[in-house]
This record gives sequence, structure tokens and C-alpha cells, in this order.
Amino acid sequence: DADVTQTPRNRITKTGKRIMLECSQTKGHDRMYWYRQDPGLGLRLIYYSFDVKDINKGEISDGYSVSRQAQAKFSLSLESAIPNQTALYFCATSDDREISYNEQFFGPGTRLTVL
Amino acid sequence: AQSVAQPEDQVNVAEGNPLTVKCTYSVSGNPYLFWYVQYPNRGLQFLLKYITGDNLVKGSYGFEAEFNKSQTSFHLKKPSALVSDSALYFCAVRGALWNQGGKLIFGQGTELSVKP
Repeated sequence: DADVTQTPRNRITKTGKRIMLECSQTKGHDRMYWYRQDPGLGLRLIYYSFDVKDINKGEISDGYSVSRQAQAKFSLSLESAIPNQTALYFCATSDDREISYNEQFFGPGTRLTVL
Repeated sequence: AQSVAQPEDQVNVAEGNPLTVKCTYSVSGNPYLFWYVQYPNRGLQFLLKYITGDNLVKGSYGFEAEFNKSQTSFHLKKPSALVSDSALYFCAVRGALWNQGGKLIFGQGTELSVKP
């Protein structure tokens, strides 16, 4: 979905480095999410934010932190990257109307490799 | 706890044949169920959802899914597969209860391969 952008699209880094992945959206949605995708494991939720002041841990938040700088921006940081954080990372958004039932819109993904 | 299972890592189908991608779920209360598709080097795209009403839900690209409450299943189907349907398919669920809102739980994905 072109309304959800992620930068960078690809990143190779070394163990111990700090990495920030950025997500921006023009859909006007309040809710934003970060997932990681690993082969055979599907998508796992790292963090989610229902608005600028509401940030929540997902099922695999250890080793990650997030920042919701504005309604449209949600960044994921790896403070000290390790090889098992090598994965494909997706940002997603949804609106907060119950009628949408959490239909989510995904960015194109960031492929992160930690050496 | 909410969970989703896709029992098949890969499904192979000949073009023109019907296809089924299986999904079973576990959730407290009534489920909200979704199917997403991921084409190579792309993010996930919404295909269809079941909230309430008819058990057969129609979605994008000719896909449909059948909700079966007694079997806790939500299988994705298409009467006639196309080579362009080849992709990774994800089933997802959230509970209808107020404290389950806001988060989707995804299955591990099923790789669909449609051969000419």
C-alpha cells in the first residue's frame, strides 16, 4: 500500500549497532503496528500504538523499542542489534473505528540483516 | 489465548483447478477472521474478512472463504486458480470482546503455487 512507507527498504548491519526503522503513513489512521516476519513463523507483533500517547508491547518486544513521533510516524529501534533479529519487518496501520474490525494496511517491508 | 493455525506450509494446484487454503482458529467469544495475501517483495494485502452474517464471504480477486463455527475453521477458496494467484497467504484472527480489540494474530502462512 503506497500510503504506508518504510525506510530503509534494505539494511545490512553488524552485531551491536543501533538501528532505526521508520514508518510513515498518509492514511490518517490512529493505530500503527510493527511486525517481524520469519519463514515458517508468520508475522509476530513487536509493538503497537493506538495513538501518539498510547504504546503497547506485542508478543516479542524484547530487544526493541519504539517511538510514535506523530500520528503519521512510528519508528522501531534495535538498540544493540543481534543476528537473530535478522528478519523482514513490516509496519501496518488501521483506523480506530470498530466497524473496520482491524483491517490493516501494510508497508512494503524492510529487510534487515544483522551480521 | 487467541491462536491461528495454517496446517499446510505449501499448497500446489494446477491452473484452472479449484484451490483451498486451510485455516483453523482459537479465540474466546466470537471471532473476527481475515485473509491477507503477500506477493513477492510486497507487503500484505487484505483479501476478505468475516465478522458476522453469511458463512460464505466473498473477497478480492475471486477469492471466498467459508466460516465454520463448529469446526473453528475459515478456509480460503477459489473455484478456478490462476498462475497469478501464486503467493503467500495468511489467515488472521481477533476476538470480538472489547479487551481483544486492536490486535490481529496471524497464522504462519501458506505458500500457494499454481502451475500452468
